[in-house]
Amino acid sequence: EAQVTQNPRYLITVTGKKLTVTCSQNMNHEYMSWYRQDPGLGLRQIYYSMNVEVTDKGDVPEGYKVSRKEKRNFPLILESPSPNQTSLYFCASSLGGENTEAFFGQGTRLTVV
Amino acid sequence: GQNIDQPTEMTATEGAIVQINCTYQTSGFNGLFWYQQHAGEAPTFLSYNVLDGLEEKGRFSSFLSRSKGYSYLLLKELQMKDSASYLCAVIGAGNNRKLIWGLGTSLAVNP
Repeated sequence: EAQVTQNPRYLITVTGKKLTVTCSQNMNHEYMSWYRQDPGLGLRQIYYSMNVEVTDKGDVPEGYKVSRKEKRNFPLILESPSPNQTSLYFCASSLGGENTEAFFGQGTRLTVV
Repeated sequence: GQNIDQPTEMTATEGAIVQINCTYQTSGFNGLFWYQQHAGEAPTFLSYNVLDGLEEKGRFSSFLSRSKGYSYLLLKELQMKDSASYLCAVIGAGNNRKLIWGLGTSLAVNP
């Protein structure tokens, strides 16, 4: 089944404790991205990757890192999480960039206390 | 600046028809998406319009007028499961053709 898989689904952590949210897609998509979704602010792009070893900042990259060592995986790293990073996070992939249909992962609800 | 406007909330009755509007002001236009998002779940693709006119797909249709910067999503024969948020997103101009997201319209379908 074609899908984007994120883990974990839910995470509660403390300020400053490094964490990684994994994202994997099995559709051989070139393009992957990370979003955060907050009430009243909608979906905001954190980072995106157009291909292996190619990543770039989205609209809200501060406090986040990503890597794209393989086509299928695009982990999101929070080196020192802070409470303002409490949010619902989505990974997405698409075949040919943002002008093609995006497939989203199930979401990761992160709480930083 | 770049902006997408959608109504925040709408209510409709099961079996009825509802139209969700989206207006946009962007620097360039390369297509418009509609996504459906149930509460706490991932957005899922509904439609993509790049040319003017109506695209029909089962109970859902999407319309685009590029000259007016306007689109709507039409949902017919509403069902309870259509209660969700509907997100309008526009592909702007530029080398990487960035996607600009609206805040979404929360639709409640009542029996």
